[in-house]
Amino acid sequence: DAGITQSPRHKVTETGTPVTLRCHQTENHRYMYWYRQDPGHGLRLIHYSYGVKDTDKGEVSDGYSVSRSKTEDFLLTLESATSSQTSVYFCAINPSGRTGELFFGEGSRLTVL
Amino acid sequence: QQPVQSPQAVILREGEDAVINCSSSKALYSVHWYRQKHGEAPVFLMILLKGGEQKGHDKISASFNEKKQQSSLYLTASQLSYSGTYFCGASESAGNMLTFGGGTRLMVKP
Repeated sequence: DAGITQSPRHKVTETGTPVTLRCHQTENHRYMYWYRQDPGHGLRLIHYSYGVKDTDKGEVSDGYSVSRSKTEDFLLTLESATSSQTSVYFCAINPSGRTGELFFGEGSRLTVL
Repeated sequence: QQPVQSPQAVILREGEDAVINCSSSKALYSVHWYRQKHGEAPVFLMILLKGGEQKGHDKISASFNEKKQQSSLYLTASQLSYSGTYFCGASESAGNMLTFGGGTRLMVKP
């Protein structure tokens, strides 16, 4: 058990509303990641963080922002949700360094109507 | 650029073998393999680093040919529990993030 919890696990929202997904870890690991998963695309990196207030963009960061004010929490925000952001979002941690194995949370399924 | 996995899907009978390939257009530093069951999170299987190594545990093993920029995952004498979607993740250097392939759906039937 890597000690990762995501919330909410399921959310349905309307286009144009803001949405925040939370990833919480209990192990104080530096590296945390947000991925989205869509059929045929595998897992695509949205944003990642290597410490408190240290974040960077991934390959599909447009329309998303993140914050990490505490080691244990990594928040993903959709300022104004669009239907193209309907997806399953996974948070991951990397206990052993930047290219070590990833441990994923259980996922948050977001539907934007 | 996303690595390309092949095949996209494969159906096996219990006890049969399978090979899943992961190819990149760029030189690679490391390749990860993960398995995801339906409705669950991906789970780490193994990492292979630059150097052409081969790894394995139980009846699942993998190879990494850096010259060909390709990794292969070998599933031997498949079991029902092997069913799921397999993803490779590739990084170009020690500091790079992983880029995942589109996945290979594996179904093992009794």
